[in-house]
Amino acid sequence: AQKVTQAQTEISVVEKEDVTLDCVYETRDTTYYLFWYKQPPSGELVFLIRRNSFDEQNEISGRYSWNFQKSTSSFNFTITASQVVDSAVYFCALRAIIQGAQKLVFGQGTRLTINP
Amino acid sequence: NAGVTQTPKFRVLKTGQSMTLLCAQDMNHEYMYWYRQDPGMGLRLIHYSVGEGTTAKGEVPDGYNVSRLKKQNFLLGLESAAPSQTSVYFCASRRVGLAGKKTGELFFGEGSRLTVL
Repeated sequence: AQKVTQAQTEISVVEKEDVTLDCVYETRDTTYYLFWYKQPPSGELVFLIRRNSFDEQNEISGRYSWNFQKSTSSFNFTITASQVVDSAVYFCALRAIIQGAQKLVFGQGTRLTINP
Repeated sequence: NAGVTQTPKFRVLKTGQSMTLLCAQDMNHEYMYWYRQDPGMGLRLIHYSVGEGTTAKGEVPDGYNVSRLKKQNFLLGLESAAPSQTSVYFCASRRVGLAGKKTGELFFGEGSRLTVL
């Protein structure tokens, strides 16, 4: 089965704390892509990162970092020194071949609230 | 640069009414998708299209129909709306990835909030 699980439904932290959002995926494909999207209160979906299954290097972009571990099928997202503007729902997604076509399968999302 | 545009942004329907959501993209993308977003369930794929004139069912296709008569447009239709179709609908598009090259990310529209009474 192609599946993405974000076990944390909601997380609430105080500003400047570090926070990690978990993502665990299941796929039979040997080649696949993983994504994180941010959905702020305004509702749009904002692309954050794409990672392919052959590249296990961790990536850092400013206060954001991603830890991809194939051994545990996880693609966790960490925000360092969180800010109120980071408050949003974050979705992890897996692009996989389903019924012969590439499709994006989303996790349930994690609602992150950063309190001042 | 408009990207992906959805119309309408908001709509209230009565049970049994019909309506069409329009998705238009100006990026010449081959793939287009319709998702619905419901609380606690993430985004679920309704229908998708891999090119002009072709459509296919996704995870939750029942009660919806789609058409892709033009490459830039992907229409989602509700023939007889039901309260269970109250949701936020997202259209997305992406280009086809070339062999050995990076595949395109998904570009999303701003969403269409539909309420069925």
